[in-house]
Amino acid sequence: AQSVTQLDSHVSVSEGTPVLLRCNYSSSYSPSLFWYVQHPNKGLQLLLKYTSAATLVKGINGFEAEFKKSETSFHLTKPSAHMSDAAEYFCVVSDGGYQKVTFGTGTKLQVIP
Amino acid sequence: SAVISQKPSRDICQRGTSLTIQCQVDSQVTMMFWYRQQPGQSLTLIATANQGSEATYESGFVIDKFPISRPNLTFSTLTVSNMSPEDSSIYLCSVETGVGQETQYFGPGTRLLVL
Repeated sequence: AQSVTQLDSHVSVSEGTPVLLRCNYSSSYSPSLFWYVQHPNKGLQLLLKYTSAATLVKGINGFEAEFKKSETSFHLTKPSAHMSDAAEYFCVVSDGGYQKVTFGTGTKLQVIP
Repeated sequence: SAVISQKPSRDICQRGTSLTIQCQVDSQVTMMFWYRQQPGQSLTLIATANQGSEATYESGFVIDKFPISRPNLTFSTLTVSNMSPEDSSIYLCSVETGVGQETQYFGPGTRLLVL
């Protein structure tokens, strides 16, 4: 069985400050992990994915995430928030043995000017 | 990656009616998925639709309520039948672009409001 927990439902940061969105997972297999972003009234866009290669994964728009097996975490970070980063972010896990994925409950990121 | 379009983008429907949502992909894909995103919620998988076989439904979803067609490798439809206000959601289709790729690419969604 697989599950994913996004620890914060809302995160608020000032423009230009770092972003940290937290995600913990549980998986019976070696998981694949993803972060998606959903802007208001838009579909989901893939930010980045981890599939057992390098543990530090770089994505689009300056985001990156680090896979930490010992902590079962896959937190999303960005050094400097931009107003356009305001959106909802979903952490997703796939156990690889079956192509079904599990979505986290989402974290709404607010960026304050 | 894949470019995915959905029709309609949004609709307002009366309870008791049915709506068919179309999903078109710009390339041939094996795996297509239908999700529901209720207001303020995360995504829940409704079913997996593979071409040439019956759709596989997740717990809590049944074919009579959400019939799915998958006539070819670039197209699928989801019908929301006998709608009630509880069916008001965003419905999204997604695809996996290759065997073992695991990455899913999403359409823009269909925003459904049932009165």
